[in-house]
Amino acid sequence: GAGVSQSPSNKVTEKGKDVELRCDPISGHTALYWYRQSLGQGLEFLIYFQGNSAPDKSGLPSDRFSAERTGGSVSTLTIQRTQQEDSAVYLCASSRQDSGNYGYTFGSGTRLTVV
Amino acid sequence: AQSVTQLGSHVSVSEGALVLLRCNYSSSVPPYLFWYVQYPNQGLQLLLKYTSAATLVKGINGFEAEFKKSETSFHLTKPSAHMSDAAEYFCAVSWSGSARQLTFGSGTQLTVLP
Repeated sequence: GAGVSQSPSNKVTEKGKDVELRCDPISGHTALYWYRQSLGQGLEFLIYFQGNSAPDKSGLPSDRFSAERTGGSVSTLTIQRTQQEDSAVYLCASSRQDSGNYGYTFGSGTRLTVV
Repeated sequence: AQSVTQLGSHVSVSEGALVLLRCNYSSSVPPYLFWYVQYPNQGLQLLLKYTSAATLVKGINGFEAEFKKSETSFHLTKPSAHMSDAAEYFCAVSWSGSARQLTFGSGTQLTVLP
C-alpha cells in the first residue's frame, strides 16, 4: 500500500481481556517496528522484525506481549490479559532496511484503552 | 545513557514568524538524526533526516535543520510559520543507524497564533 496501515484505529477493552493489533507495512519494506506512545512517557521501542523473524524483542515490557509477522508483510501485536497500564497508542513503522539511511514510515497508530 | 533533549515542551509563534524548535543529543559521536511531525490522531511523519552528508538538511513543508557537531544540536527551523504547522514535533536519534535504537525526544507542541 501507499502507507503503513494500522487497525483498529481505536480499541477499548476490559482489563484481563486479550487484544490483537494489526500492522500492514508499505509493500516491499522488509523491516517492521512496533513502538508504544504513552502519555508522559514518550515513544518506546517494543520489537523489530526483519522479514518474518524478530531478532530484537528487547523492548517488549512483559511476557503478556507478543508479536508475529507472516509472509514478510502483515504483523500482529498481541497483548494478553490486558492491564490498565497497557493503555497507550501503539505505533507501527516500516522501512526498506534497518538502516539510518532510510526514513521510517509510521502508521497512524492504534489507541488502546483498557478499562 | 545517550539521550535526546528537546527544549520547550510547548512553543507558540505568530503566523509568519520564525519557527525554531531545539534538539540536543548527548554523544560526541555523530548519530543519525531525524525530525518527525505528528498531527492530531495521526502517526509520525518524517520531516527530514541527517545521515552524515550535508550539515544543512532541507525537509518537507519548508522545514530545515542544521547539524552542529560542536554544539551536539540539530535544531529545526522554518522561516515563516503557517497555521497548518501546528502539531507536535519529535527529534529522534539513532547512533547505530538502526530504528531499533531510535531514541526520541519528549516532543514539542507547536502552536501557531493568528
